[in-house]
Amino acid sequence: EDKVVQSPLSLVVHEGDTVTLNCSYEVTNFRSLLWYKQEKKAPTFLFMLTSSGIEKKSGRLSSILDKKELSSILNITATQTGDSAIYLCAVSGYALNFGKGTSLLVTP
Amino acid sequence: DAMVIQNPRYQVTQFGKPVTLSCSQTLNHNVMYWYQQKSSQAPKLLFHYYDKDFNNEADTPDNFQSRRPNTSFCFLDIRSPGLGDAAMYLCATTSGGADEAFFGQGTRLTVV
Repeated sequence: EDKVVQSPLSLVVHEGDTVTLNCSYEVTNFRSLLWYKQEKKAPTFLFMLTSSGIEKKSGRLSSILDKKELSSILNITATQTGDSAIYLCAVSGYALNFGKGTSLLVTP
Repeated sequence: DAMVIQNPRYQVTQFGKPVTLSCSQTLNHNVMYWYQQKSSQAPKLLFHYYDKDFNNEADTPDNFQSRRPNTSFCFLDIRSPGLGDAAMYLCATTSGGADEAFFGQGTRLTVV
């Protein structure tokens, strides 16, 4: 059975802090790992990672995949209150399965 | 333009009254997924289609059924909704390779 585990499950930080979110997986026939941001609506796509060691970057967000360790991290630097959301990690294998998410709250 | 469209956005149904949620896509993707997402929880995979091949998750209740009459459309039927079935239902598609999943806006189901 495919598994996707995210940590921490929730996090509270102050504006300006840097956060690191973790995702580990056990998946048959790994294709890709995806990060999504979810506010009070459907998830919005952030990154897709297929190759180990190659950092993807978008503004203050970045992510990298380690296929040897079966894990990925999502970094957010200089956090803003608008970054408050649930961050979902999903792994595409036999199907697309999600972790439980990390609920991030950025306080002013 | 929306590429994955779910209808309706909000659905209120009575306890035990069958309800159908629909999803359509303009991406010609092979794979379509249905997820159930309850408040403060991650999306839970109910089933998915790879073309016409139907794949049911082991813990999806029998109360939930699905149909995919063609590539573009997929339906989620809840035969006898219970209060515990109130949730956001998300439809997503991929081409079947290593690519991004595209989500619809979801249907929020309320059971009264």
